[in-house]
Amino acid sequence: DAGVTQSPTHLIKTRGQQVTLRCSPKSGHDTVSWYQQALGQGPQFIFQYYEEEERQRGNFPDRFSGHQFPNYSSELNVNALLLGDSALYLCASSLVGTGVTYEQYFGPGTRLTVT
Amino acid sequence: DAKTTQPNSMESNEEEPVHLPCNHSTISGTDYIHWYRQLPSQGPEYVIHGLTSNVNNRMASLAIAEDRKSSTLILHRATLRDAAVYYCILRDRNAGNMLTFGGGTRLMVKP
Repeated sequence: DAGVTQSPTHLIKTRGQQVTLRCSPKSGHDTVSWYQQALGQGPQFIFQYYEEEERQRGNFPDRFSGHQFPNYSSELNVNALLLGDSALYLCASSLVGTGVTYEQYFGPGTRLTVT
Repeated sequence: DAKTTQPNSMESNEEEPVHLPCNHSTISGTDYIHWYRQLPSQGPEYVIHGLTSNVNNRMASLAIAEDRKSSTLILHRATLRDAAVYYCILRDRNAGNMLTFGGGTRLMVKP
């Protein structure tokens, strides 16, 4: 049973560029959440997608956007990259469809470096 | 989400029990107490959760104070693989499943 997978593993971008990160949820899961983790800090919630719609959003600017596809996979897009966007981006999946959610399963993350 | 307070770091000897404390004095009646841990170079991993009663699973035990203002994650026999950052998180069951992470406790395990 494949867990949460993310691609790419590492990425280096230049300020002002745009980036797309990808996530495939654990088999059977229908909800994907994205988190940003700066070095030495805990993960910060960006947003969550369920049924192809953004359901919850954390305190992140509109430069951060996402998408969920019919197969439940998801993308995180960041426009106009800033140096401060350098971080580990984590994807987490869970099963919300039953209305009961407990565990979230995290992927290994994508390390984004903005120069 | 209500805030939690955890020690920045703790140290333990291998094969000894570890008690990781968490204070959450402003917890509300609809808050679940969740614990996640993050091993080096990995994403966070679910450990355990509870609402009011103590909970046990294959990874750990969760002891919840009677007034719910504090909780303790118990690792019964620490191994080197348990060295990680442990996060205590409150999640309002009526507010979706967004997790609000704090700084966590860095657990170091000595052989």
